[in-house]
Amino acid sequence: DAMVIQNPRYQVTQFGKPVTLSCSQTLNHNVMYWYQQKSSQAPKLLFHYYDKDFNNEADTPDNFQSRRPNTSFCFLDIRSPGLGDAAMYLCATSRGAGGWTDTQYFGPGTRLTVL
Amino acid sequence: KQEVTQIPAALSVPEGENLVLNCSFTDSAIYNLQWFRQDPGKGLTSLLLIQSSQREQTSGRLNASLDKSSGRSTLYIAASQPGDSATYLCAVMGGKLIFGQGTELSVKP
Repeated sequence: DAMVIQNPRYQVTQFGKPVTLSCSQTLNHNVMYWYQQKSSQAPKLLFHYYDKDFNNEADTPDNFQSRRPNTSFCFLDIRSPGLGDAAMYLCATSRGAGGWTDTQYFGPGTRLTVL
Repeated sequence: KQEVTQIPAALSVPEGENLVLNCSFTDSAIYNLQWFRQDPGKGLTSLLLIQSSQREQTSGRLNASLDKSSGRSTLYIAASQPGDSATYLCAVMGGKLIFGQGTELSVKP
């Protein structure tokens, strides 16, 4: 059974057109993460939520925003996608109690293409 | 600043061979180290997690070791199969998960 679900699996958008990627989890984990992975590169953490507390990485562009309306769902909003934002976007979760020492479970990813 | 390096970047072996993938990191102050598998165009599958106090973890044909003092980890795959073909990433946790760039493994029938 899928534990971390991402929708859509493939997203095509136009330069500058806002886009939202979705992640849901059935694990009831406290922590949810968004990573960006460009071709042949390592995944890079954009931000994470510990419960409702949002934690942004210092080098994450302002163009990227996130929302977590409840425990199960987390969204990644790209306000004005540029060609350089084309990448695989990975959502992950981990259990609470600090989160950082626990295994992170990843979803299948959403591949974003910007035309 | 933590840096994670994986060598080699790519590896091709015949089916049945035992192999070792290497991971090194610059800051030994880590909570744990995790090995992942990534199939082309797909997400990450966690293979093994080694806590900082542990020396190794085993799952089936996979064995991962950790030497914090030297900043090294290895992933040993026994009796490799074509289905093992994928990219293998290591990641260290020391505040956040820092990934290496991966080793692309190809197992030839």
